[in-house]
Amino acid sequence: DAKTTQPTSMDCAEGRAANLPCNHSTISGNEYVYWYRQIHSQGPQYIIHGLKNNETNEMASLIITEDRKSSTLILPHATLRDTAVYYCIVRDNSGYSTLTFGKGTMLLVSP
Amino acid sequence: DSGVTQTPKHLITATGQRVTLRCSPRSGDLSVYWYQQSLDQGLQFLIHYYNGEERAKGNILERFSAQQFPDLHSELNLSSLELGDSALYFCASSVALSDTQYFGPGTRLTVL
Repeated sequence: DAKTTQPTSMDCAEGRAANLPCNHSTISGNEYVYWYRQIHSQGPQYIIHGLKNNETNEMASLIITEDRKSSTLILPHATLRDTAVYYCIVRDNSGYSTLTFGKGTMLLVSP
Repeated sequence: DSGVTQTPKHLITATGQRVTLRCSPRSGDLSVYWYQQSLDQGLQFLIHYYNGEERAKGNILERFSAQQFPDLHSELNLSSLELGDSALYFCASSVALSDTQYFGPGTRLTVL
């Protein structure tokens, strides 16, 4: 699976949009981009995933660039409860592969 | 709530002992995955079972073993415990082999 690069940490004011970037320049055609988050020692929580098109659900939006070499997870109105480590993971869904977690981005949402 | 349950929540034991961690997947999910999260290693994949059969192994020590039962719950057995085995152990489940994985709340193991 392709490797991802994320900033170590980011800050966001409560109520503002949080935009979390992820680089995955070696992504291949079969690989999806997954986002999970982990709130202090809780189990990782699935957020969203996508292949080429932008995706939106009740939690977030995922914007994938046309060349698929990078993506951005958008939390439209961040709250204090969104403070967590966010993991961007590239995974091949066509065959078999597990989730490989990196260090992620620590997002701190402040009042 | 992901629908994945894990017991116990906390486990404190001594070096050299053996423990069993239990995971019940979401209703309908056939795959169960085990992960270990320690402070220095991050989240690491240990092993995957699908419908009772082992499908993949990651960084799992020989002292560790797992199985998935006919009712699809899974157990992770850790033996000859060492201080370094202290960690959070998560299981996750998915419908089939490569679907989205949903994680349980974890078991915190402390080896003294």
